[in-house]
Amino acid sequence: KQEVTQIPAALSVPEGENLVLNCSFTDSAIYNLQWFRQDPGKGLTSLLLIQSSQREQTSGRLNASLDKSSGRSTLYIAASQPGDSATYLCAVMSGNFGNEKLTFGTGTRLTIIP
Amino acid sequence: KAGVTQTPRYLIKTRGQQVTLSCSPISGHRSVSWYQQTPGQGLQFLFEYFSETQRNKGNFPGRFSGRQFSNSRSEMNVSTLELGDSALYLCASSPRQGLSNEQFFGPGTRLTVL
Repeated sequence: KQEVTQIPAALSVPEGENLVLNCSFTDSAIYNLQWFRQDPGKGLTSLLLIQSSQREQTSGRLNASLDKSSGRSTLYIAASQPGDSATYLCAVMSGNFGNEKLTFGTGTRLTIIP
Repeated sequence: KAGVTQTPRYLIKTRGQQVTLSCSPISGHRSVSWYQQTPGQGLQFLFEYFSETQRNKGNFPGRFSGRQFSNSRSEMNVSTLELGDSALYLCASSPRQGLSNEQFFGPGTRLTVL
């Protein structure tokens, strides 16, 4: 059974700092890994999708890496801004075709202090 | 291009009642998936529909059901509501079948069961 863990559960950093969010998963047989952000009471916004054959993906100030063998992914946020404050969730897709499952971590609540 | 839309955004029901939630995917997307998000259990997969057929199902009781129409719009129904069904219900769409494709989420329907 796939399990996804995100540590820490909460993180506060001053504006302008670079930061790293962590995601680990127990079963390395994944199709891909996706990072989302969720603002309070809102839906999920897709940030980055890394296919199992890829090592990293970049979008603007965000960079996500994937190390399947060790069951880890990191989301790097450069030059953080108050608007980056949100809960960040990672999700891994695994399972046999027709029975794929998207397993979410419990998230890291990020607060950027102005 | 309009995003995923969900209606209603908020619902209050009492125990024993039933409820129907609606999801309209991004234009051209044919796969719709449903998720339940609660503080205790996090995000959990309910089911996926593609071309009007349920192709994948999570571990939820039979009180949770869904369907998809020919225009790809989907509805989710929960019968005999219980207090524990209070949650944010999220729908996601994808252009192709299979959860291994990137998922785009709607804003969610907040269901409160009294």
